[in-house]
Parts: sequence; structure tokens; C-alpha cells
Amino acid sequence: AQRVTQPEKLLSVFKGAPVELKCNYSYSGSPELFWYVQYSRQRLQLLLRHISRESIKGFTADLNKGETSFHLKKPFAQEEDSAMYYCALSLSTSYDKVIFGPGTSLSVIP
Amino acid sequence: DTGVSQDPRHKITKRGQNVTFRCDPISEHNRLYWYRQTLGQGPEFLTYFQNEAQLEKSRLLSDRFSAERPKGSFSTLEIQRTEQGDSAMYLCASSPKTGSTEAFFGQGTRLTVV
Repeated sequence: AQRVTQPEKLLSVFKGAPVELKCNYSYSGSPELFWYVQYSRQRLQLLLRHISRESIKGFTADLNKGETSFHLKKPFAQEEDSAMYYCALSLSTSYDKVIFGPGTSLSVIP
Repeated sequence: DTGVSQDPRHKITKRGQNVTFRCDPISEHNRLYWYRQTLGQGPEFLTYFQNEAQLEKSRLLSDRFSAERPKGSFSTLEIQRTEQGDSAMYLCASSPKTGSTEAFFGQGTRLTVV
């Protein structure tokens, strides 16, 4: 079955430190991976997607098909990065259902 | 606000009552999703519409749950005979027909069953 796992429920880092939020998935097809973010009192929104290969707000994520991982990284954490982060997988079916991981709460300590 | 809108934002109901939520997607988005989110969990897929056709229902959706999208625009999610376990945030999202599957989310309806 398709599944997304995020092993860390909570992650605390100091401002300026590197941050890595882990994501692993299980899916036999060709996946499309995303990271969504939810800031306090805001709606869930897309942060980045693997096919774009872009850096958003200093975050990057590389799809590793061998390890079935899509870890989110940022070299220098900022206080405004504190939020809930969800890794998500879109199935390559005709209607692209999106499956979310349980989320990691990132807290950046000033 | 031209984003996805959901109504109401909060709903408190007594166990056994029926509730109905509404979602207005971004116009011209033909894909619409309902998710449920409980504390400490990511959004769980409930059902999906492409235009007015309901193409999938999760097994999480018992017979007490029904969703419609009659004209391929707004959608409603009804829960009959609510139970305390139905208490959750109900999220609606929409996405365009073409391009990458970015889902645009509404702010959700928080349901509390007492």
C-alpha cells in the first residue's frame, strides 16, 4: 500500500543551524513528491515539489528513488521557518490522489 | 479571497445530529478533494471529485458520510448521526486539470461532536 512516513514528530533546531526533515515513502509506481507547510493559523500550502527542482525559502528536497526518500533540507534555519511540515505523495493514477505523512513540527529556537 | 473557501469554519453538534459542510473551490479547478485531519496526524484522504463525478471514496468514509458536487463547482460533505469519533478538522482542496498536482487547501471546518 502507498504510505508516507515522517519519523520525527517534533524537531527543534537553533537559528542558523542546518535543518533536515526526513520523509520516506512506499509506492511501486512513479511518484510525485511534495512538501506542504502549515504556519500557525494559516492554511496548508505547497512549499515545493520534486519535479520543479527549485529552492523555496532556502529549502530544497531531492528525490532518492533508491532509498525512497524525499528529505527536506535548509542550511541555515530561520525563526520564521517554525511550522508544521507535511511530506506528500501523489500517485501516478488517472486522478492523482495525494497521500500525506503525519507531519513534523519544526521549532527554530532564537 | 479567491482561494478555496469552506463554511462553516467551526461546528459544534450533539451526537446523533446531522451536519453538512460546504466547500467552494477555486474557479476552473475541476478536481476537488475532501480530507480529514485529527490532532497529531496528517490529512487523511476521504473522497475525490473530478467535475461532478465522485471517483473515489476512502474506506474511512462510512455509510454515514456522503459527499456531492452536483454541478461540478461547490461541494458538500454530510455526516449523518454524528459520533464523537467524527470530531476532526475537515479540509477541502482543489487542483487544476492540467499541470502538476498542487492542491490548494481551504482553511477547514472544525467539527466538535459533544
